[in-house]
Amino acid sequence: GENVEQHPSTLSVQEGDSAVIKCTYSDSASNYFPWYKQELGKRPQLIIDIRSNVGEKKDQRIAVTLNKTAKHFSLHITETQPEDSAVYFCAARVVSDMRFGAGTRLTVKP
Amino acid sequence: DAGVIQSPRHEVTEMGQEVTLRCKPISGHDYLFWYRQTMMRGLELLIYFNNNVPIDDSGMPEDRFSAKMPNASFSTLKIQPSEPRDSAVYFCASNQQGADGEQYFGPGTRLTVT
Repeated sequence: GENVEQHPSTLSVQEGDSAVIKCTYSDSASNYFPWYKQELGKRPQLIIDIRSNVGEKKDQRIAVTLNKTAKHFSLHITETQPEDSAVYFCAARVVSDMRFGAGTRLTVKP
Repeated sequence: DAGVIQSPRHEVTEMGQEVTLRCKPISGHDYLFWYRQTMMRGLELLIYFNNNVPIDDSGMPEDRFSAKMPNASFSTLKIQPSEPRDSAVYFCASNQQGADGEQYFGPGTRLTVT
């Protein structure tokens, strides 16, 4: 089955700096790669996603890149703000079977 | 739409007791997923259904766990007998095949087994 690895497990940045989280996946048939943000005590919520026919997608301060050849994808957050502090999960989906990375705890220091 | 609905939101039970978690997916969604989240193991897929039929239950940890989906608007996850190591947050999620693919999570059920 699909195996998703995510790095780093924790990330601390200064407000205004950029944050990058990286994931790799194992199943070349995976075709959908969402990123979820989970605040403490809340449910995971989708913040951005990318499909296998696209290399990059951007939504305001958030961007995701996908390298299908290398089987890795990354989340980029620019101009970080304290409210970006949360746990971020990447995921990879084959058909309807979605597997999540272990999560990255992002802390943005004011 | 009210989103994915889960009940109860919190459950505290004693070891050995039966626990039933409930989920109502978003109307029109034909896929339903059960996840378990712990600090140690992260977010694990337990089982998922398509059109009320279990497709993959390979993530169900033991025979103590069972899940059903008797109709398109209701699913249960049952643990019998419960053990302290079952303590976790259990999320239900749903999505619609062929749509934008986004998987919508419910608010979760925090289970504590003492």
